[in-house]
Amino acid sequence: GQNIDQPTEMTATEGAIVQINCTYQTSGFNGLFWYQQHAGEAPTFLSYNVLDGLEEKGRFSSFLSRSKGYSYLLLKELQMKDSASYLCAVRGGGADGLTFGKGTHLIIQP
Amino acid sequence: NAGVTQTPKFRILKIGQSMTLQCTQDMNHNYMYWYRQDPGMGLKLIYYSVGAGITDKGEVPNGYNVSRSTTEDFPLRLELAAPSQTSVYFCASSYSLRGGRNNQPQHFGDGTRLSIL
Repeated sequence: GQNIDQPTEMTATEGAIVQINCTYQTSGFNGLFWYQQHAGEAPTFLSYNVLDGLEEKGRFSSFLSRSKGYSYLLLKELQMKDSASYLCAVRGGGADGLTFGKGTHLIIQP
Repeated sequence: NAGVTQTPKFRILKIGQSMTLQCTQDMNHNYMYWYRQDPGMGLKLIYYSVGAGITDKGEVPNGYNVSRSTTEDFPLRLELAAPSQTSVYFCASSYSLRGGRNNQPQHFGDGTRLSIL
């Protein structure tokens, strides 16, 4: 079976740093994706990890540890527009579809 | 480039009615997917297709049907609408090399908000 866990909600301050964690148990692993989804909109791709380590993309970084079934998304220099849900998704060993966590709703306060 | 286009954006159906949710992509992607997203829940895979003429069930296929006659189009059919099918439906596409390492992200349409009353 597939199981992906991430916190339901987090609050952070504008200009600060926040780390959103994701743990997963899946049958097979072919990569982990992070998506951003603003309310009422489609998910948009942020990052992809398939090997252990850190991937950096501007203000966003994502880390993966396959042995621990663990990933995190790090957002730096937070801006008000970063208020959104952040979805952790795993590509399993079979079909190419993704298994999504329930998402973390991030609230940015001034 | 339009990307992934879904129509309609909103729809209200009565129980027992049928309808087709349209999805088309202009990126020449071979893989296409249908997900549903319920409040407070993650996206769930309904059906997917790895190319024209090939479709397969995802995690929650009951009550739905799909077809893939062209690379561009992947319509989702609800035959007998039920209240449990009230949801937001997202179509997505990606380019995937079968059997190879695939790091291509899925691109999502804007969604169809469907209410069954």
